Amino acid sequence: EAQVTQNPRYLITVTGKKLTVTCSQNMNHEYMSWYRQDPGLGLRQIYYSMNVEVTDKGDVPEGYKVSRKEKRNFPLILESPSPNQTSLYFCASSPLGQTNTEAFFGQGTRLTVV
Amino acid sequence: GQNIDQPTEMTATEGAIVQINCTYQTSGFNGLFWYQQHAGEAPTFLSYNVLDGLEEKGRFSSFLSRSKGYSYLLLKELQMKDSASYLCAVNNAGNMLTFGGGTRLMVKP
Repeated sequence: EAQVTQNPRYLITVTGKKLTVTCSQNMNHEYMSWYRQDPGLGLRQIYYSMNVEVTDKGDVPEGYKVSRKEKRNFPLILESPSPNQTSLYFCASSPLGQTNTEAFFGQGTRLTVV
Repeated sequence: GQNIDQPTEMTATEGAIVQINCTYQTSGFNGLFWYQQHAGEAPTFLSYNVLDGLEEKGRFSSFLSRSKGYSYLLLKELQMKDSASYLCAVNNAGNMLTFGGGTRLMVKP
C-alpha cells in the first residue's frame, strides 16, 4: 500500500530537549516536504527536498533542520524545541515534475513543547 | 509574494449545495488543488485544476478561472460526513504547494 509514515503520532517534550520526527515514504517519490499546521494559519511549509542530499527552506524554517540521506526518508529535527513549536506537523511526498499529481500526506505528529 | 484567501468558516444544511471560494495571487501557477481534511487527520486529495473550467467528480466539482485568480469547490447533496476543513492549494512551480488557511465547513441536519 502506498503510504507516508510519520512517527511518533503524539509527542510531549520539554523546552530544549532535542527531538526527531521521522518520515518515510514507499512510493519512490523525489519530492518530500514538512508542514506545520496551526489554527487559523493553515499549512505552512517548513522545509522541502527535491531529491537525495537536496534540501531547501520553506516559509517557516527557523528552529528546524532536515536531512535527506536516502530517498525514502526525510526526518525533521528540532535541535532545541521551544513552546512556539507546539503544533501539528505533516510530512508529504509527491513525484517531481508531475504537477498534476497530488501530494500524499502522513498521518500527522502532534507535538507539545512545555 | 504568495497570497491565497478562503473564508474561514461556512455552515450548510444536509442535502443542500455549498460553494467554497478561493482567490489567489502567486508567482507562477502550475495548477490548483483542493484537499479535504477532517479534524486531526491528514489532508486527502479532492481535485486538481490547471485549465479554466469546471471539473466534476461525483458530488464534488471544482472550477478555475486563471485570469481572475479564482477557484471554487462545489459540494452537492451535502452529507454530515462532509463536515471538515477544505484546503485550497496552489502549485507555484514544480511541486511547491502554497496552502490557504482552509475553510471549516459545518453541515447541520
